[in-house]
This record gives sequence, C-alpha cells and structure tokens, in this order.
Amino acid sequence: GENVEQHPSTLSVQEGDSAVIKCTYSDSASNYFPWYKQELGKGPQLIIDIRSNVGEKKDQRIAVTLNKTAKHFSLHITETQPEDSAVYFCAADYGQNFVFGPGTRLSVLP
Amino acid sequence: DAGVIQSPRHEVTEMGQEVTLRCKPISGHNSLFWYRQTMMRGLELLIYFNNNVPIDDSGMPEDRFSAKMPNASFSTLKIQPSEPRDSAVYFCASSSQGRTEAFFGQGTRLTVV
Repeated sequence: GENVEQHPSTLSVQEGDSAVIKCTYSDSASNYFPWYKQELGKGPQLIIDIRSNVGEKKDQRIAVTLNKTAKHFSLHITETQPEDSAVYFCAADYGQNFVFGPGTRLSVLP
Repeated sequence: DAGVIQSPRHEVTEMGQEVTLRCKPISGHNSLFWYRQTMMRGLELLIYFNNNVPIDDSGMPEDRFSAKMPNASFSTLKIQPSEPRDSAVYFCASSSQGRTEAFFGQGTRLTVV
C-alpha cells in the first residue's frame, strides 16, 4: 500500500523566515498531493494541493513542489507569521482515499 | 454551506458503554471518510463510503466498530462496547469525488474512562 513519510516532525522558525516541510510517498500511481493545516482543537484544513501534471504551485506565501520521479513533494512557507503555527500534514491519494503523513508541528517564534 | 458537521464535539463515557458519533457531509459530496487521530498513530483512515456504500473498511480496528451511511446526508460511527484505548479524536471528511480535496469536520473528542 501507499506509505507517506514526512520530515521534520517539529520545526521552529523565527517570524519572517521561511519554513520547508518535505514528504515522500511510495506508490507511483498517486497523482494528487494535498497539504492540510491543523490548528489546536480544529479539524485539518486544506491549504494547497498539487497534481502530478505540474511541478510547482504557489498561493501567496505558500508554495508546493513535486518531483514525481523521486516521489518527493515539499511545502514552502515564506515570510512566516505567528498564525502559521500549527501542525501540517501532507497526503497522497491512494485509490479513492488518502494516506496522510505523520505531521509536522511548526512553531513561528515572534 | 456550513461544512462538514460532526456531533457531539466532546464525548466522555464509561468503558463498556455504546458510543455513537454522527456526521453530516457537505451537500453534494458523494464520498465520506471516517478518520481517527491519536498522538501515537496520527491520522488513520477507518472507513470510507462512496455514494453511501462502504468501499473500504479495512481500517476499522475490530468488530466493536461499525459505520453506516443510511443516506447521502448522514453517517454514524458506533463503538460497542467502548474501551479506554478507543480514546481519540474522530474526524469525518467528505469530498465530491474520491480523488479530489477532502473537507474535514471539527472532530469529536472521545474519552473512554
């Protein structure tokens, strides 16, 4: 089955710096890779996604890159702000459902 | 749309009792997912439905867990009898097809004492 690994498990950055979270997946048939942000006491919220026919997608301060050959995809957050502090999950589609990575706890220090 | 609605938000019950978690997916979505989240195991898919039909329940931990989707706007996850190790946050999510973005509810925090 599909296996999604995510690194690092925790990440602390200074406000204004960039943050990068990396994921790898195992099933070459996966074609859809969403990223979710989970704030304390809330459900995961989709923040950006990418499909296998593109290598990069950007939405304001957030960007995602995909290397399908290497089965890697990454989340990049620039100019981090305290409200970016949360747990971030990557995921890959597998059949008709999704397999999630273990999550990265991002702390943005003021 | 109000998004995916789950109830209750919090549930505390005694070991051995029956617990029923409820979910109302986003209107028009035809796929529904039940996830369990714990510190140790992260987000685990328990079961998902497509057009109200269970497609894959291989994630359901044991026979004490059951899920139903009697119509397109309602699903339940039942645990009978409950055990302390079932304590977790249970999320329901829905999507318009199986392979596009999934939208999560706020979750139900279950504590079994």
